[in-house]
Amino acid sequence: AQSVTQLGSHVSVSEGALVLLRCNYSSSVPPYLFWYVQYPNQGLQLLLKYTTGATLVKGINGFEAEFKKSETSFHLTKPSAHMSDAAEYFCAAFRNNAGNMLTFGGGTRLMVKP
Amino acid sequence: ETGVTQSPTHLIKTRGQQVTLRCSSQSGHNTVSWYQQALGQGPQFIFQYYREEENGRGNFPPRFSGLQFPNYSSELNVNALELDDSALYLCASSDKTGGIFNEQFFGPGTRLTVL
Repeated sequence: AQSVTQLGSHVSVSEGALVLLRCNYSSSVPPYLFWYVQYPNQGLQLLLKYTTGATLVKGINGFEAEFKKSETSFHLTKPSAHMSDAAEYFCAAFRNNAGNMLTFGGGTRLMVKP
Repeated sequence: ETGVTQSPTHLIKTRGQQVTLRCSSQSGHNTVSWYQQALGQGPQFIFQYYREEENGRGNFPPRFSGLQFPNYSSELNVNALELDDSALYLCASSDKTGGIFNEQFFGPGTRLTVL
């Protein structure tokens, strides 16, 4: 069964510092990969996705992620954190032959200090 | 373009009761997926409906059931509620065309509390 692991349930950075949120997937066949953000009491908003093609994917709000097949990773980065980035971030994977479902990681809560 | 909507936003039930949650998919979308998100955890896939038929199911018992209507809106029904059913229930809609996956758009969720 496919699984998604997010290392670090809580990450704290200072405003203006680099944001790095880690995601690894376990699958012999690379799935489609996604990062979602969830603000308090809200649903999930797609930040970016990797399906095929270019391995460096740019998303909204200055976020980007790089798909590395050799490392089975899809880490999310942002060069400079903003206070408004404080939220819960979820990495997710999808494969068409896996019950048509998104498999989510456990989430990483990003805290941004002034 | 109207996004995914869910009702109600909050719900309180007691153990053993039954509950129905509703979801209206985004305009033009024919697929609805339901997820359960327990506090402090990532969403877990419950099931997916495509053109009114169940099209995939996660590891949830049969007391979790669903429907999709001709207008592609959907219901999630949970019978014999248990305390562990307390969670945020998320609905997501997408457009499955020619077997190709398209992005899932999530609604704001329904917060269910079972006492």
